[in-house]
Amino acid sequence: GAVVSQHPSRVICKSGTSVKIECRSLDFQATTMFWYRQFPKQSLMLMATSNEGSKATYEQGVEKDKFLINHASLTLSTLTVTSAHPEDSSFYICSAIQGGGGQYFGPGTRLTVT
Amino acid sequence: RKEVEQDPGPFNVPEGATVAFNCTYSNSASQSFFWYRQDCRKEPKLLMSVYSSGNEDGRFTAQLNRASQYISLLIRDSKLSDSATYLCVVNFRDNAGKSTFGDGTTLTVKP
Repeated sequence: GAVVSQHPSRVICKSGTSVKIECRSLDFQATTMFWYRQFPKQSLMLMATSNEGSKATYEQGVEKDKFLINHASLTLSTLTVTSAHPEDSSFYICSAIQGGGGQYFGPGTRLTVT
Repeated sequence: RKEVEQDPGPFNVPEGATVAFNCTYSNSASQSFFWYRQDCRKEPKLLMSVYSSGNEDGRFTAQLNRASQYISLLIRDSKLSDSATYLCVVNFRDNAGKSTFGDGTTLTVKP
């Protein structure tokens, strides 16, 4: 199957700092990637759709100024959590679609804000 | 009502058992269907796509019933390594490629 990588896998930061998470499709081009967040024992929550060369589409209730998404190339999308706070601590996962099949997920980034 | 609903379980079964999960979806304008598995603190991994004709991959069989709007996953001869959360995923037509996830069904296979 297709391979999607994420970096970093784990990050601990202080409240008020910004954190950038990278999502890469390693063996295919992805014009569309998705960013999810998952809290413990809860289901995946779609945050936004990242479109190469255009603005991201955010889901209702997700602050676009807080979660900045940049999809600068066909293989890279970045999510920046600006001015992170403890309530932003979560598991952030990206995914990409290859062809008409299902989504392939990155390994996730566990963010802890102290 | 959620667009994709699953029985959360947990399902606790002994090794070797056969277990079935069902998933219902409410939007008839649905296009494609998948089962994923997610291990604790890991990302979801695509298990199999689901087709109207039904499809099988080793011990796993997936079925789709469009008329009744449900999807099933059957696991035969359960292994300890099958313990995970199984997610039902539906892509709806004209939804910009977005997927709708069920909340997942947790399976624990015990020796």
